[in-house]
Amino acid sequence: SQQGEEDPQALSIQEGENATMNCSYKTSINNLQWYRQNSGRGLVHLILIRSNEREKHSGRLRVTLDTSKKSSSLLITASRAADTASYFCATNSGGSNYKLTFGKGTLLTVNP
Amino acid sequence: GAGVSQSPSNKVTEKGKDVELRCDPISGHTALYWYRQSLGQGLEFLIYFQGNSAPDKSGLPSDRFSAERTGGSVSTLTIQRTQQEDSAVYLCASSLAERLYQETQYFGPGTRLLVL
Repeated sequence: SQQGEEDPQALSIQEGENATMNCSYKTSINNLQWYRQNSGRGLVHLILIRSNEREKHSGRLRVTLDTSKKSSSLLITASRAADTASYFCATNSGGSNYKLTFGKGTLLTVNP
Repeated sequence: GAGVSQSPSNKVTEKGKDVELRCDPISGHTALYWYRQSLGQGLEFLIYFQGNSAPDKSGLPSDRFSAERTGGSVSTLTIQRTQQEDSAVYLCASSLAERLYQETQYFGPGTRLLVL
């Protein structure tokens, strides 16, 4: 079953704008990770945030985690056409400390 | 190597045939994972290896699916008597496995399997 649920399912913005994607999950987690996928192929790891962290930055990416609401957000600032991809959140939880459970993803389109 | 590699990139087979998918993890990574991505089911966990043993095979969808890992490195996912519903992208990932619940899994480019 899908642990993470991304919102929105699809997002279209203009180059230079910021993009925000949200992820909600159901059970307690060890960590939450965001991945990017281009053209339905390999997943590229973007950022991992641990359950005891609230915010993390990496370049133009900012991830927040609210364990009380069981939700996370990924913000991409100053978007570029090359950011066009599907973005997935994945949770690593409880007894399965290795298995990632993925959401269905957000398709981001950045128009030049 | 520089990253996780998988072969073949694409595989077209006829229903009922067996297929083998290969994964070469990042050198030194002791943990290896197989996932499947299909249109209807999204990304699903299939199996996890720690070294050559597979403590969790819970995601394998049927007994037609099997996987092995030799020498703590290369892994092969075998699908016997393929069915059309097996069509999907099969993704392999690896990690260092020092502290599993805090680790990044690095994914390969995937094998796109089409069963006719």
